[in-house]
Amino acid sequence: AQRVTQPEKLLSVFKGAPVELKCNYSYSGSPELFWYVQYSRQRLQLLLRHISRESIKGFTADLNKGETSFHLKKPFAQEEDSAMYYCALGQSDSTDKLIFGTGTRLQVFP
Amino acid sequence: GAVVSQHPSWVICKSGTSVKIECRSLDFQATTMFWYRQFPKQSLMLMATSNEGSKATYEQGVEKDKFLINHASLTLSTLTVTSAHPEDSSFYICSATPGGYNEQFFGPGTRLTVL
Repeated sequence: AQRVTQPEKLLSVFKGAPVELKCNYSYSGSPELFWYVQYSRQRLQLLLRHISRESIKGFTADLNKGETSFHLKKPFAQEEDSAMYYCALGQSDSTDKLIFGTGTRLQVFP
Repeated sequence: GAVVSQHPSWVICKSGTSVKIECRSLDFQATTMFWYRQFPKQSLMLMATSNEGSKATYEQGVEKDKFLINHASLTLSTLTVTSAHPEDSSFYICSATPGGYNEQFFGPGTRLTVL
């Protein structure tokens, strides 16, 4: 069954500390992984996707098929990074459906 | 950037009434729209996939007669919660995609409260 697991509900760090938000997935096909972010009082928006292999706002994520993981990382957290982060799995069929993890709230303290 | 709107942003209704929520893609044509439900402090749960001009595909456990979805045009999908009950109170979010493995663009959500 398709599943996305984000083990941490809350991650608190101080400004300047490294951040890693964990995401593991379960999918028998060829996965497409995304990270979405929701800032306070704003709608959900795409942060990055694995096929782009780009860094957005200093965040990167590498798809590790061996470990079925797609952890989100940033070397130096900023206060404005405080938000809710959702890992999502897209399926390789034609439905464009996404399966979301339960989300991790990142709190960056000054 | 692509914008998706939802209307209304919040609604309060009496038990037994029906409520319609609109989802519009403002500056692109959405071949597919999705409806999600989000409970407090929980993740988004996909309810159904809506394709223009065809019947919606509902996820397992979602009552299609309870949650009526109509995707009448490439820019509009509606979700009607029929005979609403307090347990239907939730945050309903739609998203739209131009298709072809493009990203989903999310609406701001609609908070439904059923008294």
